[in-house]
Amino acid sequence: KTQVEQSPQSLVVRQGENCVLQCNYSVTPDNHLRWFKQDTGKGLVSLTVLVHENDKTSNGRYSATLDKDAKHSTLHITATLLDDTATYICVVGDRGSALGRLHFGAGTQLIVIP
Amino acid sequence: DMKVTQMPRYLIKRMGENVLLECGQDMSHETMYWYRQDPGLGLQLIYISYDVDSNSEGDIPKGYRVSRKKREHFSLILDSAKTNQTSVYFCASSVFSTGAHNQAPLFGEGTRLSVL
Repeated sequence: KTQVEQSPQSLVVRQGENCVLQCNYSVTPDNHLRWFKQDTGKGLVSLTVLVHENDKTSNGRYSATLDKDAKHSTLHITATLLDDTATYICVVGDRGSALGRLHFGAGTQLIVIP
Repeated sequence: DMKVTQMPRYLIKRMGENVLLECGQDMSHETMYWYRQDPGLGLQLIYISYDVDSNSEGDIPKGYRVSRKKREHFSLILDSAKTNQTSVYFCASSVFSTGAHNQAPLFGEGTRLSVL
């Protein structure tokens, strides 16, 4: 059973618009949640990590929130650029060491058009 | 420069042939991983290695084996490849505390394997 669900599956926005990506999970325990960006044909690159209940992070035009009670996270991208076209992957870690597992969502494919 | 390097980047093999995927990292990370990525699915863990000759099965180890004889190098081997092993394979590395919020795993760019 998929433990990390992302929505929408895909999204098309115009350059300059804002967008919101969602991640719901059932992983227990939920030590931390990380958002990755994956450009086409490339590896995953970490954008931000959330650790505590009601954490909020900001990394340039990317900001993220975590609600551990609801097991829900959002990734906001402000003033999108063409280079934001990528797949965004939500990953939940169930422990604070390599003895734990990383649980990957299938990703949201974001396409930014001119 | 911190980097995980995967070789080859693209590979086409016939069913029944043996496949060797190689991964190297220059950070002296203890932990290394092999994942596969298929359309519509999240990355699935094949094997994890905690250090030299200290390997553990992941969630989908069947049909795969690994070798780690040096800390900086981790190989994935497919003995007698099958068509359902066509996929994109990612190697990653991290310090032991992979879940720590200040240490994201570092991913390679992937090997795209087609088994015909």
